[in-house]
Amino acid sequence: GAVVSQHPSWVICKSGTSVKIECRSLDFQATTMFWYRQFPKQSLMLMATSNEGSKATYEQGVEKDKFLINHASLTLSTLTVTSAHPEDSSFYICSVSSGEEKLFFGSGTQLSVL
Amino acid sequence: QKEVEQNSGPLSVPEGAIASLNCTYSDRGSQSFFWYRQYSGKSPELIMSIYSNGDKEDGRFTAQLNKASQYVSLLIRDSQPSDSATYLCAVRTSGTYKYIFGTGTRLKVLA
Repeated sequence: GAVVSQHPSWVICKSGTSVKIECRSLDFQATTMFWYRQFPKQSLMLMATSNEGSKATYEQGVEKDKFLINHASLTLSTLTVTSAHPEDSSFYICSVSSGEEKLFFGSGTQLSVL
Repeated sequence: QKEVEQNSGPLSVPEGAIASLNCTYSDRGSQSFFWYRQYSGKSPELIMSIYSNGDKEDGRFTAQLNKASQYVSLLIRDSQPSDSATYLCAVRTSGTYKYIFGTGTRLKVLA
């Protein structure tokens, strides 16, 4: 399956600051990457679909100006949480769909906003 | 109606027993179904994928799919304490090709 690297693993920041999360597909050229968010004891909620070379497609209720997604190459997608607030504290996970339709995940980023 | 439904559990089984996890989905046109295991604080890892009706076996795991009933299940034979985790059912929807996850079933295997 696809090997997906995600950094950082965890980040603590002050309210109002921006946080950038990187997701790299190490062995697969990913034209599409998915960003999920998971609150404690809840399931994964799809935030957006990141498309290489074009704008991301955001799910209903996800603010595109707050969660900036850039997919500049076939191996890298970034998610920037702008002006983070405590309610943005969550586990953010990126994923890549392989040629066999299987979804493989990065290790996730635990964001804590103070 | 939720798109993918699972019983949240916890489901407790003794070591060595068979654990049975169930999932229903609402999009009748879905073609691809997956089971993921997620340990606390970690990201999900793929266990099984299934695309056609019937059973698919891989080691101690068997996935079962019934598209007419919109039902997917996962059986874990000879359950081990290390199998204790949350199991997520995922469906790739038709049309939009998004992967939708259930809320997960927490499995506890008792030594």
